[in-house]
Amino acid sequence: GQQLNQSPQSMFIQEGEDVSMNCTSSSIFNTWLWYKQDPGEGPVLLIALYKAGELTSNGRLTAQFGITRKDSFLNISASIPSDVGIYFCAGIQGAQKLVFGQGTRLTINP
Amino acid sequence: NAGVTQTPKFQVLKTGQSMTLQCAQDMNHNSMYWYRQDPGMGLRLIYYSASEGTTDKGEVPNGYNVSRLNKREFSLRLESAAPSQTSVYFCASRSSFSYEQYFGPGTRLTVT
Repeated sequence: GQQLNQSPQSMFIQEGEDVSMNCTSSSIFNTWLWYKQDPGEGPVLLIALYKAGELTSNGRLTAQFGITRKDSFLNISASIPSDVGIYFCAGIQGAQKLVFGQGTRLTINP
Repeated sequence: NAGVTQTPKFQVLKTGQSMTLQCAQDMNHNSMYWYRQDPGMGLRLIYYSASEGTTDKGEVPNGYNVSRLNKREFSLRLESAAPSQTSVYFCASRSSFSYEQYFGPGTRLTVT
């Protein structure tokens, strides 16, 4: 089945550093979503992007919907310990189906 | 307002046993979904229900059945569990007015 290519697969950073991750696809999506998953929990929606070129922020998080509609980026500024988790991108084609990336596991060294 | 709830939280089955995973949402959402999550694979859609009374297959439906009992509840049934169905199962729901899906806490299933 179709999946998005998310990179990097894992990141080990120091507290206070900025983080960047991205998602690419060979297909066009009309909506991009970014989720965070804490251990033992379900994914929680962070940011939703609806238009090509759109740049949206949610606190220290900023995400962009790529101009080609085939990619999206998530940046986290000044990381803190509670940012630890797995970040997933998801693209929507049509109305019903989300296609997920494989996830980026973020580990922060204090 | 509990959002999306799932039961049980953990389950161990022997090969060939059957069980039903329960999901309920209190957000009055029309659409509900079942996903499985395996290491390194992200989440994959098993079945979804666009509205009460309808269900459709997702990417990995084999070995599963679903029932949309009413607007609130969407259950996933494993008729004859196999070790390949060891996974974490997530239920999600969505309003008709948004593309955003909201997830439950998951059911961790092990089939031995």
